[in-house]
Amino acid sequence: EAGVAQSPRYKIIEKRQSVAFWCNPISGHATLYWYQQILGQGPKLLIQFQNNGVVDDSQLPKDRFSAERLKGVDSTLKIQPAKLEDSAVYLCASSLDRGTAYGYTFGSGTRLTVV
Amino acid sequence: GQQVMQIPQYQHVQEGEDFTTYCNSSTTLSNIQWYKQRPGGHPVFLIQLVKSGEVKKQKRLTFQFGEAKKNSSLHITATQTTDVGTYFCAGLGGSQGNLIFGKGTKLSVKP
Repeated sequence: EAGVAQSPRYKIIEKRQSVAFWCNPISGHATLYWYQQILGQGPKLLIQFQNNGVVDDSQLPKDRFSAERLKGVDSTLKIQPAKLEDSAVYLCASSLDRGTAYGYTFGSGTRLTVV
Repeated sequence: GQQVMQIPQYQHVQEGEDFTTYCNSSTTLSNIQWYKQRPGGHPVFLIQLVKSGEVKKQKRLTFQFGEAKKNSSLHITATQTTDVGTYFCAGLGGSQGNLIFGKGTKLSVKP
């Protein structure tokens, strides 16, 4: 089966600019997650969707980050305006259900550098 | 909030030596998962443990879940250069049942 698709692979922007990331999960996976992974750390959950509804966005910095999953399939994560500390890899993952019995499948991620 | 801690942060071994990483949670977990992330790659699911005291094996890898379901370990026997990467444990918990990742143990293997 096809994996989780993410684009772009890399992005370099200046601080205060905006940026958007795209994710297409595995077909049939109802649950989609966005994680932020800062170099040398474990992934940190930003937001979780169940179909097209938000389940958990408690860790999302809502003053600058936004995400949507229209039609319950692909998703976009936006940062506006970006800060230097947003430099990280943004990972999208999907799973069959919230119980994650079969683990999460991660995409290759988008490496964001804010200068 | 719930925290998942891993030790050690780094481990350097000679090829053929054994390796163990330990994971501890501040709260009881409904299950625990292990992931491997190769350098420059993304986390890849290895296994899930659900039952108290559960032990699972995958070739040279042995995974254990503690009796109290608050700790876990991953042991690799006779490491190979292909084992290089960062190993993360992730606990399923929280009010929304999300995966909380530890900081990982970075394994390097000297041939």
